[in-house]
Amino acid sequence: SAVISQKPSRDICQRGTSLTIQCQVDSQVTMMFWYRQQPGQSLTLIATANQGSEATYESGFVIDKFPISRPNLTFSTLTVSNMSPEDSSIYLCSVDLRAVYTEAFFGQGTRLTVV
Amino acid sequence: AQTVTQSQPEMSVQEAETVTLSCTYDTSESDYYLFWYKQPPSRQMILVIRQEAYKQQNATENRFSVNFQKAAKSFSLKISDSQLGDAAMYFCAYRSAAGSYQLTFGKGTKLSVIP
Repeated sequence: SAVISQKPSRDICQRGTSLTIQCQVDSQVTMMFWYRQQPGQSLTLIATANQGSEATYESGFVIDKFPISRPNLTFSTLTVSNMSPEDSSIYLCSVDLRAVYTEAFFGQGTRLTVV
Repeated sequence: AQTVTQSQPEMSVQEAETVTLSCTYDTSESDYYLFWYKQPPSRQMILVIRQEAYKQQNATENRFSVNFQKAAKSFSLKISDSQLGDAAMYFCAYRSAAGSYQLTFGKGTKLSVIP
């Protein structure tokens, strides 16, 4: 399996500021995914990040609000920009190890509260 | 687009008893994967069980088993001999066999285990 370290595990931020979430994987992976889980809700895909190319965003999510970096095959960041209380959610990164496993592996999530 | 429906927002079960969580999905694809993930309060998404659509045999993992009805597009999870540690949110998820590993999740079922 993959070991995924996600930082920070939680944060409380002021509205209007930005937070960058880091996701580090212990093996090289082609695809990484960022999900949002609003309070009491299911997971919604924000974007798919491939190394060396622009992230692909799902409907309702834009790069200006959620810029993503993918500098190498083991690391990615998601920034939540110009935050508002509606951005309070759990953000999770997930990786694809398709050569070995059919299932996705997840980080432990970042609980973000915007005040 | 694929959709996943979990019609039971909450369920409860007595310790040592059996409970079944329901999941239906909609897809036009013939080859895909289905998963049940568990999310305890720690937020970590943990794979419970997976089912390949091309396999007729229902998957089993210790106390966890599924009833996969491909024609009916139904994928229920049975938990036998329920334990206190089974209390969590359970998410049913769909993944296409082709393309990326992004998952489509249901809204989840909150399972409580009564001592």
